[in-house]
Amino acid sequence: QSALTQPRSVSGSPGQSVTISCTGTSSDVGYYDYVSWYQQHPGEVPKLILFDVYKRPSGVPDRFSGSKSGNTASLTISGLQTEDEGDYYCCSFTGRSYVFGGGTTVTVL
Amino acid sequence: VQLVQSAAELKEPGASVKVSCSTSGYIFTDYSIHWLRQAPGQGLEWLGWIIPNTGGTNYARMLQGRFTMTLHRSISTAYMELTSLTSDDTAVYYCVREYSPGLNADYWGQGTLVTVSS
Repeated sequence: QSALTQPRSVSGSPGQSVTISCTGTSSDVGYYDYVSWYQQHPGEVPKLILFDVYKRPSGVPDRFSGSKSGNTASLTISGLQTEDEGDYYCCSFTGRSYVFGGGTTVTVL
Repeated sequence: VQLVQSAAELKEPGASVKVSCSTSGYIFTDYSIHWLRQAPGQGLEWLGWIIPNTGGTNYARMLQGRFTMTLHRSISTAYMELTSLTSDDTAVYYCVREYSPGLNADYWGQGTLVTVSS
């Protein structure tokens, strides 16, 4: 199973919006609505920020939003804040297993 | 809810490693446990999942044959064992609780660093 494709890095100024894409295939992202996103700060354990494409766990700010179109899922961070810097990973169900994206580093300029 | 993993391990190539994940604060058999790993400076990799209620398992294809997940229900603990270690297996290994289908991983262990080196 090939990894999902994410951009290596994205950046934005405080208050701006950034979007991270996550491209898979019609067998994973395109077929199942089991797409989740994780945020990881350096040296820390990853944290779930979105599941089932767009749902937010309790405590996750509503500036994090998710969507999906075809074989590509997207995470949008609106009103970027300095604490949003870090690595972001998408993950999709494939029918019998899970596959992650390679990760995207978000930099707040 | 807590997931507490065993301490870091240093292993020689060809050896095996077993990592434990001791859970508390919830009914162990109500939620699946997944194992993930992250090599130094790299991304997350899914290794497999086990259903504590039934013992059912699903493994990532690239590790099949070397990777085994087990349970000790009476002490609410999950285990993973990886054999025939190589330097490519050097990584932090995580156990996570899946709150709902789709790897909705709401609680994570602290991670166990496994270093494979001679």
